[in-house]
Amino acid sequence: NAGVTQTPKFQVLKTGQSMTLQCAQDMNHNSMYWYRQDPGMGLRLIYYSASEGTTDKGEVPNGYNVSRLNKREFSLRLESAAPSQTSVYFCAILYYRGGSSVTDTQYFGPGTRLTVL
Amino acid sequence: AQKITQTQPGMFVQEKEAVTLDCTYDTSDPSYGLFWYKQPSSGEMIFLIYQGSYDQQNATEGRYSLNFQKARKSANRVISASQLGDSAMYFCAMRGTNTGNQFYFGTGTSLTVIP
Repeated sequence: NAGVTQTPKFQVLKTGQSMTLQCAQDMNHNSMYWYRQDPGMGLRLIYYSASEGTTDKGEVPNGYNVSRLNKREFSLRLESAAPSQTSVYFCAILYYRGGSSVTDTQYFGPGTRLTVL
Repeated sequence: AQKITQTQPGMFVQEKEAVTLDCTYDTSDPSYGLFWYKQPSSGEMIFLIYQGSYDQQNATEGRYSLNFQKARKSANRVISASQLGDSAMYFCAMRGTNTGNQFYFGTGTSLTVIP
């Protein structure tokens, strides 16, 4: 997983509770991402961060906030969890392969399975 | 807008036979990359293979190759001799020069290899 770790691995929340999903990388890459994966829908981008201190919205940012306080860590926060946020969440880093930027690929963390009751 | 389409939600193949997983894309970017990822039942996402839009040859990695047809905007992944360990979900993804750091994923194809 190219040194991408996610905590926790599993989490169950009640509607309205808050929590933060943590992602950390040990490979000194600039760009980091948060995706959610739902059955039949592939991966959808929630937020991404091109560098420390910067974040941008992806396809499905509503209900989430992110924080990139340093190069190593990118956290995803659910302020008031809803059952629609039940999903598997993946963090990823952009891995520089050399050459043109379009060759850079993503490496993923192991995922966090979140259930909101 | 960027779009990736995988039209085969589920496929079955006999062990040792060849199988092709379809992927078509839509982009107006002059330069782009296409990626395939594997997701086994354990859940992790594993990068498999990359094809650049200006690459003259199809990408290959052992038993796996990518049938890239730029005019048809397709990047199908071919497994030449399926093995039981190939059973997994497979995702096609794209990144273009005008999409910044964003990747766009298809909805995936579930491949089951039958002994």
